[in-house]
Amino acid sequence: AQKVTQAQTEISVVEKEDVTLDCVYETRDTTYYLFWYKQPPSGELVFLIRRNSFDEQNEISGRYSWNFQKSTSSFNFTITASQVVDSAVYFCALRDTGANSKLTFGKGITLSVRP
Amino acid sequence: GAGVSQSPSNKVTEKGKDVELRCDPISGHTALYWYRQSLGQGLEFLIYFQGNSAPDKSGLPSDRFSAERTGGSVSTLTIQRTQQEDSAVYLCASSQPRLAGYEQFFGPGTRLTVL
Repeated sequence: AQKVTQAQTEISVVEKEDVTLDCVYETRDTTYYLFWYKQPPSGELVFLIRRNSFDEQNEISGRYSWNFQKSTSSFNFTITASQVVDSAVYFCALRDTGANSKLTFGKGITLSVRP
Repeated sequence: GAGVSQSPSNKVTEKGKDVELRCDPISGHTALYWYRQSLGQGLEFLIYFQGNSAPDKSGLPSDRFSAERTGGSVSTLTIQRTQQEDSAVYLCASSQPRLAGYEQFFGPGTRLTVL
């Protein structure tokens, strides 16, 4: 069975601090996709990144970076120099390659960035 | 707009009443998903439609829940004889599996409150 664990439930930081959101996954598939979504207070899920299981290169996009390590089944997300606008709930998700391609989500991490 | 739209944005109903929630996917997207986001449960998959294939209903929590998709586009999620535990945000997502690596685009959700 697919499982995504986001052990941190709430994180509070002061603006300009760096923060890392952890994600650990379980799957029996050899091919799979990992995602991060952001859910700001408005409620709509915003896609941040997709990573397939064959690509272990880390990725950087502005202040965001992602560290994918198959050896530890982790796909962690780091925000550098956090800003108040980063305050949101962040979800890690796993998509299998089965017929329905549904996403299995972690329970989310609530990030609060204080000015 | 070009995104996934859902209506109503908020719905308050009395226990025992039936409700219908609507989702308009992105034009051209053949895959449509319903998820439920409730406190303490995170985001849970409910049902998946792909083209003209039979839907995957494996995530529906009970036979009070049903969904249909007309003409391969708009979808309606129906909850009969609503219960208080049905209170949640119901999210719809669509994707075009042959493009963009199966990324799912989410709508703003319908917040359902059962009194």
